[in-house]
Amino acid sequence: DTGVSQDPRHKITKRGQNVTFRCDPISEHNRLYWYRQTLGQGPEFLTYFQNEAQLEKSRLLSDRFSAERPKGSFSTLEIQRTEQGDSAMYLCAGGGEGTEAFFGQGTRLTVV
Amino acid sequence: AQSVTQLDSQVPVFEEAPVELRCNYSSSVSVYLFWYVQYPNQGLQLLLKYLSGSTLVKGINGFEAEFNKSQTSFHLRKPSVHISDTAEYFCAVSSSNDYKLSFGAGTTVTVRA
Repeated sequence: DTGVSQDPRHKITKRGQNVTFRCDPISEHNRLYWYRQTLGQGPEFLTYFQNEAQLEKSRLLSDRFSAERPKGSFSTLEIQRTEQGDSAMYLCAGGGEGTEAFFGQGTRLTVV
Repeated sequence: AQSVTQLDSQVPVFEEAPVELRCNYSSSVSVYLFWYVQYPNQGLQLLLKYLSGSTLVKGINGFEAEFNKSQTSFHLRKPSVHISDTAEYFCAVSSSNDYKLSFGAGTTVTVRA
């Protein structure tokens, strides 16, 4: 158990709908990351929070994507007007004082 | 910027045989190196990491990796694999600034009896 939980585990949505994913790390994880993983590829960095501050966003994060971490604890990732190309596994990872990132089990999004 | 190349996309291996997964990286700064394992429909689990010091790193489940700075490599090895080692393996690199990970494309290891 990494201490990072993600909800939901699976989401099927119709193209054009909005979806929101949640990530709950443990309290020691002042750093929080979102990654996207498509089939047959390694995870790609999307965005990074240090406590509640969003410090970096990848160019992969188009204006349809928004992430928040309002109180420096849980985080949400919202995708507006979903497209088929958004189908992927969305992974959240938490990190504390050390170098290691602890990954959740991911949310698999399928856009039909 | 950092990047990672995993030289083998698929590695079939027989049970109890040794396995080596190759990883090369590029970076303009000092990096930390990691190997993660991913089982189907699961998140990533850390196998081992290299931060500094001894270039031979031992991890969980009998895996080890060797950091070679001159060859910019961080190959993963296991002397005797089990059926349960069937999974996807990812090599990753990060800097000391933000620990953001850059992953390779992954190597699928299939262990057969």
